[in-house]
Amino acid sequence: QVQLQESGPGLVKPSETLSLTCTVSGGSISSYYWSWIRQPPGKGLEWIGYIYYSGSTNYSPSLKSRVTISVDTSKNQFSLKLSSVSAADTAMYYCARGRTLTGYYVHDYWGQGTLVTVSS
Amino acid sequence: EIVMTQSPATLSVSLGERATLSCRASQSVSSNLAWYQQKPGQAPRLLIYGASTRATGIPARFSGSGSGTEFTLTISSLQSEDFAVYYCQQYNNWLWTFGQGTKVEIK
Repeated sequence: QVQLQESGPGLVKPSETLSLTCTVSGGSISSYYWSWIRQPPGKGLEWIGYIYYSGSTNYSPSLKSRVTISVDTSKNQFSLKLSSVSAADTAMYYCARGRTLTGYYVHDYWGQGTLVTVSS
Repeated sequence: EIVMTQSPATLSVSLGERATLSCRASQSVSSNLAWYQQKPGQAPRLLIYGASTRATGIPARFSGSGSGTEFTLTISSLQSEDFAVYYCQQYNNWLWTFGQGTKVEIK
């Protein structure tokens, strides 16, 4: 059974960089897309971006200038960096596995999420 | 960027009744549409992909339909465990976007 676990600081100061890591267990990181998705308190889901296991990335246009996603296949981990954060970046951050099912792209496994608060 | 709009924002339904949720895309996404269920304090769970195919383990009371820009998720007979928030999600041009969600609550 594939499991994903987010880790990283729960509190980040404004203007600093948010850094999170997702560790994948029970399966290989190869041959899949690996996404970060966030959810502000009481609001909906926002896709941040993904990295393919080979290292190619794609980011949401609204966050592209501040986001970097990287992968470490040797550790079965991928990471998120979001720079110049503000209170608007306070959210539950989820990592998720993206894949194709009969040609359709979905997120089939998700981490439990980690709450990141931006505050001084 | 494709915008996904869900309606209604909240749907009040009695146990055993049918629930119909809508999702509209700002431009055609063909059948690249998925539905997720999220319960309080939990991560989302994949219900439907390819607009109409149930994911593994999803009960038959959940069904999806539509293509292009108009999509529907139907829950044929609501069970207590179905009260949750439902999100549609599209994939197009290497980007994913979600709708804002529909909350299904007990009437």
